[in-house]
Amino acid sequence: DIQLTQSPSFLSASVGDRVTITCRASQGISRFLAWYQQKPGTAPKVLINAASTLQGGVPSRFSGSGSGTEFTLTISGLQPEDFATYYCQQLNIYPYTFGGGTKVEIK
Amino acid sequence: QVQLVQSGAEVKKPGSSVKVSCKASGGSFSAYAIAWVRQAPGQGLEWMGGITPILNRQNYAQKFQGRLTIIADGSTSTTYMELSGLRSEDTAFYYCATKNYYDNTGYNYWGQGTLVTVSS
Repeated sequence: DIQLTQSPSFLSASVGDRVTITCRASQGISRFLAWYQQKPGTAPKVLINAASTLQGGVPSRFSGSGSGTEFTLTISGLQPEDFATYYCQQLNIYPYTFGGGTKVEIK
Repeated sequence: QVQLVQSGAEVKKPGSSVKVSCKASGGSFSAYAIAWVRQAPGQGLEWMGGITPILNRQNYAQKFQGRLTIIADGSTSTTYMELSGLRSEDTAFYYCATKNYYDNTGYNYWGQGTLVTVSS
């Protein structure tokens, strides 16, 4: 199975900060990576597909980049509603594994 | 807009089985791949397996091989996930989710989740 390692697993930030989350794959997955946001008690919501394509309705402060084995999710100008847990998922080879998650909390 | 509605919470004894349903509406069932993803309390997301009805194909994570069965009923646009040999570690929220079957994009529609509690 492809392992996805997210870092950091936890980060504390302030409103307005720029934050970056990294997702590393144990083998190359081209650009077949999605990013999700999950808030407590709710299902995940897809933010980004194909490493960098913003899902419809997602604010432009979210951006993704990368290919192969290293990917990043950046939030430029953190908003109160962005405090949540973020997951990456590879969709290259079954099983479609998830990263361990990054919890973004208010400083 | 696709809506996925899952069956209600379950409490099961160790060693038993659970079957959770996921009914889709508002879209074309044949265009989707449906996955089951679980999340233990306070833990991360775990992709368990999926089904692509139009291709009549299932894929399961190795961890669940032999214990997990996913089937789809096109006549009712309903997918079922059955997990057998339950143990306490299977206590989790179980989500169904859909994506386009023909590309490598993520799961854009999710059910509300079903809590399965395994306890003696």
